[in-house]
Amino acid sequence: GAGVSQSPSNKVTEKGKDVELRCDPISGHTALYWYRQRLGQGLEFLIYFQGNSAPDKSGLPSDRFSAERTGESVSTLTIQRTQQEDSAVYLCASRRASGKKSSYNEQFFGPGTRLTVL
Amino acid sequence: KNQVEQSPQSLIILEGKNCTLQCNYTVSPFSNLRWYKQDTGRGPVSLTIMTFSENTKSNGRYTATLDADTKQSSLHITASQLSDSASYICVVSPYGGSQGNLIFGKGTKLSVKP
Repeated sequence: GAGVSQSPSNKVTEKGKDVELRCDPISGHTALYWYRQRLGQGLEFLIYFQGNSAPDKSGLPSDRFSAERTGESVSTLTIQRTQQEDSAVYLCASRRASGKKSSYNEQFFGPGTRLTVL
Repeated sequence: KNQVEQSPQSLIILEGKNCTLQCNYTVSPFSNLRWYKQDTGRGPVSLTIMTFSENTKSNGRYTATLDADTKQSSLHITASQLSDSASYICVVSPYGGSQGNLIFGKGTKLSVKP
C-alpha cells in the first residue's frame, strides 16, 4: 500500500514569498503531524491533527505558519512571508490513532519537503 | 520538563563492528519509547518500540534495551553494515498526554566506514 507522500520534494523560494506544502497521509490514519528539521538538527514538532478535534498548534513558531486538514485526508502547511530561517526539511507523519493502545501505534513519515528560502 | 537526551551526538565505526547508542529521558509518566532510523534525505522509520514492562527487544541486528527505573534506553547494533549509516532517533511517548506530545531526541548520527 502507499505510504505518506509529500509534495513538492524540493521548494526554492525568495524571502517574503508564501509557500504551501502538501501531505497525503496513509488512508485510514486519523492522526497527522507536521515537523520541521533544520540541517543537522532533531525534529521540531509543529502541529498535530486528530480526526475532527481541534488541532494542537502549540509547536507553530509564529503566526506566519498555519496548517489545514480536510477531514482525515490531505493536509497543507502554509508559510507566509518566508524568512531565511524557515529553510529546513518539513516532515509529515500519519498514525492510526484509534484503539485502546493507540499511543503505541507507529508514526509513518513521508520523505519530506526541502524548503530553501533565498 | 519532559526531555530526551541522546549520546553520542555522532559516531564513526568500521564495518563489522558493534556499537551502542544511548537515550536518557525525563518524561513522566512514561508510556513507550521508540527508536527510529533516518536515512539521509528520507523520513524516519521505526525500528522498535519498548513499553514499560519490556527490558529487551531485538529486530535483526538491532537490540533495544530499556531500564524504566533509571529512565535509560540503548540501541545496540551488531556486525554493522554500510547501510546502517543513518541518524538514530529516540522518541518517548508520555502516558495519558496528547498524542501530539511525543518527545524527540536530537538523534545520533552513525557513520559506518568500509
